This record gives sequence, structure tokens and C-alpha cells, in this order.
Amino acid sequence: EVQLVESGGGLVQPGGSLRLSCAASGFIVSNNYMSWVRQAPGKGLEWVSVIYSGGSTYYADSVKGRFTISRDISKNTLFLQMNTLRAEDTAVYYCATDREGMIRGGGDFWGQGTLVTVSP
Amino acid sequence: DIQMTQSPSSLSASVGDRVTITCRASQGINNYLAWFQQQPGKAPKSLIYDASTLQSGVPSKFSGSGSGTDFTLTISSLQPEDFATYYCQQYNSYPLTFGGGTKVEIK
Repeated sequence: EVQLVESGGGLVQPGGSLRLSCAASGFIVSNNYMSWVRQAPGKGLEWVSVIYSGGSTYYADSVKGRFTISRDISKNTLFLQMNTLRAEDTAVYYCATDREGMIRGGGDFWGQGTLVTVSP
Repeated sequence: DIQMTQSPSSLSASVGDRVTITCRASQGINNYLAWFQQQPGKAPKSLIYDASTLQSGVPSKFSGSGSGTDFTLTISSLQPEDFATYYCQQYNSYPLTFGGGTKVEIK
């Protein structure tokens, strides 16, 4: 059974950094197309980043140059390193993945989300 | 970037009603479209991918259709557990984009 558990959210000051983790079980992170999606309070879903099984990565323009997606196979964990955080980055961050071998937006399975609040 | 426009943004319906939600892409997306359901305070749940393929375990009252730029999600007979917000997402090209959401409320 695929399970995704995010952690690492919290309160951070503008300009600060945070690293989110997504612990995976039921599959190997390096075999799957995995993504981060965020949702600001009371707002809709916003795609943030994706990593292919082969290692290629893509980012939303709003986070490009500030966020980095990566994975650690030994920990079977996906990460999102977030630097130079802004108030508009405040959101619940979801980790998600497609079924192994599939590439269809990265949304077959979702974690429960972790809240990031950027505020003085 | 491909813009995804959902309509309506909200609707009120009764249990047993047939409900249709529309999603329009600003350019053709080769049927690379997914639909998600989100209950308040919960993570999104995948319903449909490739515009019309039902995810494993999703009841057949949900169906998706469309091609090119215009797509629909239909719920054949609304049940209490279906009151939620629904989102479409295109995955034809980067950046991936979501529609603004459709909130389905109880009449």
C-alpha cells in the first residue's frame, strides 16, 4: 500500500529556509514520478515541483531558483528545500505520486500535507 | 502557461441530482487531464486521469469526458459524501496547472 507522510512544516520568518520531507512506503521513491503541490489558506491547489524517476526536475515559476526538489533513496524520502521564503509561500504542502511507471500529473496518491507559515 | 478555467465556481444541488462540472483549457492538452475531489481539511483524492479513465476504487457514478480543450466531470447521482470541492489539472505541459475549483454544496 502506497503511503506518503510529510513533515518539516512550521513557522518561519520571511527570507528564511525550511526543508520539507515526505517519507514514502509501499514503493521506491526513485521509481516514481513525484510531485509537491501547495494550497494557500482558503485557496485552490497550486503545483510546485516534480521529479522524474530519471532525476529530471521542473518547477513553478513562482518558486524557481528558491526551491529544490530531491530524494534520498536510502531513506526512501522526497524533499523540498525552500529558501528565501516569502509570505505568499504560506500554504499546506502536499507530497504526491503516480503509480509506478506512470506519468499523469503526479496525483494518484497524496500525503496528508504539512503547513508552512511564513510570518515575522 | 496553460490556463484551466472551471465552471461553475460553486453550485448547490440535492442528494440524487446529476451534476456536471466543466473545465476548459486555454490550448489543447491531448486529453492529459485529471480530476480531483477534496473534502474540507483533507488531502485531494484522485478521481479520473487521461480525461476519462476512472481511478481504481472510485465509484462509477463519477465519469469524465471531453477532448482537446473542453472537459467535463459528471456525478450521476449526488450522495452526501460527494459534497466537496472538485479540481481539474492539466499535465500536458509544464508548468502543470489546476483549475480554480468547483465547490459542490447541499441545497
